[in-house]
Formats: sequence, structure tokens, C-alpha cells
Amino acid sequence: DAKTTQPTSMDCAEGRAANLPCNHSTISGNEYVYWYRQIHSQGPQYIIHGLKNNETNEMASLIITEDRKSSTLILPHATLRDTAVYYCIVRVMNRDDKIIFGKGTRLHILP
Amino acid sequence: NAGVTQTPKFQVLKTGQSMTLQCAQDMNHNSMYWYRQDPGMGLRLIYYSASEGTTDKGEVPNGYNVSRLNKREFSLRLESAAPSQTSVYFCASARDTENTIYFGEGSWLTVV
Repeated sequence: DAKTTQPTSMDCAEGRAANLPCNHSTISGNEYVYWYRQIHSQGPQYIIHGLKNNETNEMASLIITEDRKSSTLILPHATLRDTAVYYCIVRVMNRDDKIIFGKGTRLHILP
Repeated sequence: NAGVTQTPKFQVLKTGQSMTLQCAQDMNHNSMYWYRQDPGMGLRLIYYSASEGTTDKGEVPNGYNVSRLNKREFSLRLESAAPSQTSVYFCASARDTENTIYFGEGSWLTVV
């Protein structure tokens, strides 16, 4: 089973910040939080990852709570091209193991 | 770099037929994965291989077999296809020292 839970779907107005939550209450101390997204039927695309500090890159920001039991992916200025399914997963870095994706959140960007 | 390459991209099978989906990566990755994705659903892990010569079951392994032929190639075989195996199949690879999982373009399989 996936170690994360996410809302099934969310809407966001174009130009606004999209905040996608993820719960990972059983996360271990050495597990990272990763976010991927899948546009249409393409293969998923990496967005960002983090351990306990907040992270930012050219695509998004990742906010991880202090207890690490939940996180939020932020797309600062959502565009129509951000319409996709967003997956939050937890994974131990530097270890080859199975990666379970779960059902993800379907984000609809509204014009 | 081609990344992760899957073949075929599209296939129609009759119930009971067998076929093999091929996957190859040119990034020298240790780990390789096969996922299936049904319409409107998330990705479900079928099998994975942490290194050459090893394979392990994922969430939905029944009806499938895999072979990690060498470090580059990881194939998925349907011995006797069933309509319930109609899906989009994604191969992926990852390296233990990197963060990113790389996905292939997907293989659309229809079993009639």
C-alpha cells in the first residue's frame, strides 16, 4: 500500500498558487518526500523532493511540517499547463526498493 | 541519451495470447520497474528489479512474469493475456544515488 494519502482532486484558478497537500504520517526518519506529476498519459515527471527542510526549485516549492507527517507542494503561479495528476511518494534515498505511487491528486487549473 | 525506451507502443492481443513488453535504459541505473495504469487510476507497481539478476513482486504481480536480462533491460511477459490486463504499461528506472525516477513513454495494451 502507498504510504501517502492525497485528496482525489483539486481545482485552482489560473495565476493563483496551487497548494497540494499530502499526508505521510508513518514516514521514517530516513525517508524523503518526492513529488511527481503526470500530464495526460505521459510518463510521470519529477518535480521536487525534500527530507525535512523546505525546498524550492524552478518548478515548485515543498513545505514539510516539523513533525514530517505531512507536506504541501506549492505551484506559485498555476497555468493551464499545470493541469495534471500529482503524486506524493516517500522513498529512502540510496536504496533500491519498490516505489509505490498511490492514486495522486488530479489538479484542474481553471481559466 | 535515449533514457528509458519501451516497445511496442501499441498492441492489441486476443484473450489467451502471450506477449512480452521490452524495456531498456541507457543510464546505467540499478533499479528498474514495471507499472500499469488503468483509465483514471494511479500507477500500480507490477514488478521491480533492484539489480541485475534480482526481481521482486510489487502490488499487482499476478498474471505477469519479468526478466532482468542484464543491467540495461527489464522485460514484462504476459503468458496468457486477459481483458483485465488492458492497460497502459510504464517502465521506469532509477539510480540509488540519484533522486529522479525516469519513465518510458508507455505501452498501450488492449486485450480483446
